[in-house]
Amino acid sequence: DAGVTQSPTHLIKTRGQQVTLRCSPKSGHDTVSWYQQALGQGPQFIFQYYEEEERQRGNFPDRFSGHQFPNYSSELNVNALLLGDSALYLCASSWTGVNEKLFFGSGTQLSVL
Amino acid sequence: EDKVVQSPLSLVVHEGDTVTLNCSYEVTNFRSLLWYKQEKKAPTFLFMLTSSGIEKKSGRLSSILDKKELFSILNITATQTGDSAVYLCAVGQGAQKLVFGQGTRLTINP
Repeated sequence: DAGVTQSPTHLIKTRGQQVTLRCSPKSGHDTVSWYQQALGQGPQFIFQYYEEEERQRGNFPDRFSGHQFPNYSSELNVNALLLGDSALYLCASSWTGVNEKLFFGSGTQLSVL
Repeated sequence: EDKVVQSPLSLVVHEGDTVTLNCSYEVTNFRSLLWYKQEKKAPTFLFMLTSSGIEKKSGRLSSILDKKELFSILNITATQTGDSAVYLCAVGQGAQKLVFGQGTRLTINP
């Protein structure tokens, strides 16, 4: 049983560019959440998708957007990249309405130069 | 503003020592407290606590929650080099949204 998978593992972009990160949830999970983890910090909640809609959103600007597909996989898009967007982006999946336990992927390390 | 604070931020001990990691919180809509271990990239689940005073145990690791004083501790006994990692505390606010602390970086020296 594959766990949460994310791609790519590493990405280097320049300021102003746009990036798309991808996530496949653990088998049977229907909810996908995205977190940003800056170096030396804990993960920060970006948003959550359920039934192909954004259900909750953290304190992130509109440059951060996402999508969930009918097979429950998800994308995170970031436009107009800033140096401060450099971070590890973690995807987490879960069964909605069960409990708070999330299963995390290994993340995408984004570097903005 | 929701806040989860972990201490210490960094800890270096010798193999075989016992360590206690602390987590205090001030959040709205508390549902649960979770501990994760992050060795390289993917945080892996350790414990989820919802009730005060009930100690959760898994081998050498144990954790307890105090909902009156708003804190939790994670204990690791007889530490091994494989316990070296960042330990993350998070509060679940419902609908599976987690608020994380900064993490404690634990280093176990042989």
